[in-house]
Amino acid sequence: DVKVTQSSRYLVKRTGEKVFLECVQDMDHENMFWYRQDPGLGLRLIYFSYDVKMKEKGDIPEGYSVSREKKERFSLILESASTNQTSMYLCASSLTREAFFGQGTRLTVV
Amino acid sequence: QKEVEQNSGPLSVPEGAIASLNCTYSDRGSQSFFWYRQYSGKSPELIMSIYSNGDKEDGRFTAQLNKASQYVSLLIRDSQPSDSATYLCAVIRNSGGYQKVTFGTGTKLQVIP
Repeated sequence: DVKVTQSSRYLVKRTGEKVFLECVQDMDHENMFWYRQDPGLGLRLIYFSYDVKMKEKGDIPEGYSVSREKKERFSLILESASTNQTSMYLCASSLTREAFFGQGTRLTVV
Repeated sequence: QKEVEQNSGPLSVPEGAIASLNCTYSDRGSQSFFWYRQYSGKSPELIMSIYSNGDKEDGRFTAQLNKASQYVSLLIRDSQPSDSATYLCAVIRNSGGYQKVTFGTGTKLQVIP
């Protein structure tokens, strides 16, 4: 089975802090994605990566950056956390088309 | 117009009935279609994929795709209370040289015992 693991299940951070969300997959997938999920807005793509050291902006990249130094690891960075970044963050990976999700990180920015 | 549209529900069906979930998409170039199930507080899990017109059956689930009408549906036969969840429709299309996945906002299904 594909396993996508996110480093934290719940996280509380202060406004202005730099926040790192880590995601690791164990199936040698090329493609990795970061989404945020908010009530009524569904899943929105923040960034994605189709290869090591490669990144592309999704639909809502503002306020975020990513890093993919190794194939199995894709990190989402909130440069200066703000309260409107309080959300559920979901990492996903895929080999071809089907995406597999991590368990999610519920981030609260206070 | 949203790229992928779903009725948010809730859709309530009695146990044992057929639940019918619908999804429409705007880009005629869309190629691949998926249904994910998401239980409250959990992450989405893939339950069905469909790539060509027609029906695809897997156990109690049937996915239906009609590219001419730009809709994809999911039928759940013999609905069980354990099927109560939010069902997300996802569509892949080419965008800027990449395959872009867009999700609908989901339909909440309630199966009443």
